[in-house]
Amino acid sequence: AQSVTQLGSHVSVSEGALVLLRCNYSSSVPPYLFWYVQYPNQGLQLLLKYTTGATLVKGINGFEAEFKKSETSFHLTKPSAHMSDAAEYFCAVIRNSGNTPLVFGKGTRLSVIA
Amino acid sequence: GAVVSQHPSRVICKSGTSVKIECRSLDFQATTMFWYRQFPKQSLMLMATSNEGSKATYEQGVEKDKFLINHASLTLSTLTVTSAHPEDSSFYICSASEGSSYNEQFFGPGTRLTVL
Repeated sequence: AQSVTQLGSHVSVSEGALVLLRCNYSSSVPPYLFWYVQYPNQGLQLLLKYTTGATLVKGINGFEAEFKKSETSFHLTKPSAHMSDAAEYFCAVIRNSGNTPLVFGKGTRLSVIA
Repeated sequence: GAVVSQHPSRVICKSGTSVKIECRSLDFQATTMFWYRQFPKQSLMLMATSNEGSKATYEQGVEKDKFLINHASLTLSTLTVTSAHPEDSSFYICSASEGSSYNEQFFGPGTRLTVL
């Protein structure tokens, strides 16, 4: 079964510092991978996704992620953290091929320190 | 981008009553809708998959008689929590996608249910 593991339930960075949120996946089919952000009491906003093609994926708000098959990883990065980046981040993988639900990681809470 | 709405955004009800939550795709036809549940400071857990015009497929451990899902049209799915109990208090989020092959899921803003 498909699954994702997010390393670190809480990451704290200084404003302007590099953001690195880790995600490893397990999938028996070619994975479709996603990163979502959730602000308190709100729904999910898609940051970026990998389906096929280029393994370095650029998303919104300056975030990017690289699909590394050999490492089964899809880590999320941003060169310079902003206070507004403080939120909960979820990595997800599509459960099967086709139009099927997402399997989410446990989430990583990002704090940005001024 | 595609927009999914949920109504209500917040609801407080008494134990034993039923609550209906609506999920609407505003600018596309959603052949499939998914209902997730999120407890505080936890991840999203899939409750059921709903395809327009057919019965919902529930995840293991989700009571289908307690969480009634109806997907009567290509733009509307409803989740009814019947005989609500305090342990049903949670954040319920729907997502919607179109087509039968992979398409991006668009998430609603969520509904906060509190059962007293």
